[in-house]
Amino acid sequence: TQLLEQSPQFLSIQEGENLTVYCNSSSVFSSLQWYRQEPGEGPVLLVTVVTGGEVKKLKRLTFQFGDARKDSSLHITAAQPGDTGLYLCAGAAGGSEKLVFGKGTKLTVNP
Amino acid sequence: NAGVTQTPKFQVLKTGQSMTLQCAQDMNHEYMSWYRQDPGMGLRLIHYSVGAGITDQGEVPNGYNVSRSTTEDFPLRLLSAAPSQTSVYFCASSYSMADYGYTFGSGTRLTVV
Repeated sequence: TQLLEQSPQFLSIQEGENLTVYCNSSSVFSSLQWYRQEPGEGPVLLVTVVTGGEVKKLKRLTFQFGDARKDSSLHITAAQPGDTGLYLCAGAAGGSEKLVFGKGTKLTVNP
Repeated sequence: NAGVTQTPKFQVLKTGQSMTLQCAQDMNHEYMSWYRQDPGMGLRLIHYSVGAGITDQGEVPNGYNVSRSTTEDFPLRLLSAAPSQTSVYFCASSYSMADYGYTFGSGTRLTVV
């Protein structure tokens, strides 16, 4: 059973469109993290959300942590080809020291 | 500042051979972990460590051993390689996992034939 479920698994959009990626769980997390990974490279941390209901913005990317700290979303406004990559959410449930990952959303932004 | 360094970048092993994947970080991070990444499976935790001398199992520990004798190094040993261990392996480290997240190495692509 996957602790963190990400949707959609694949997303192909045109440049300029908006999109939202979801990360859901039945477990409570002390924090959730979002990473982006490009082919042949390791994941790179984008943001950590800690407080239930928290919203963080990183340029055109908006991250939200659910009030119950069981889910998170990533919204990209006016997507660009440079946003193409694998987006991964990760978290440690219930005070665990194990950081587990969702399977990821593969985003392709076409020019 | 080198960050997290993994060696080798590529490796081909024959079934039954053993080898050690090296991981070193120069950021004085206490937390270190090993993940494997397979198509459609995402990143799965193999072993992790919360400090020198302390290690524990992750989701898929069978066939792998780790040790953490220093803060800087966290090698992953494959005891008797199997084709099912063909994967991309990532090492990661963190000062405080919850607040700062992980810094990842660039990975080792392992093929077992």
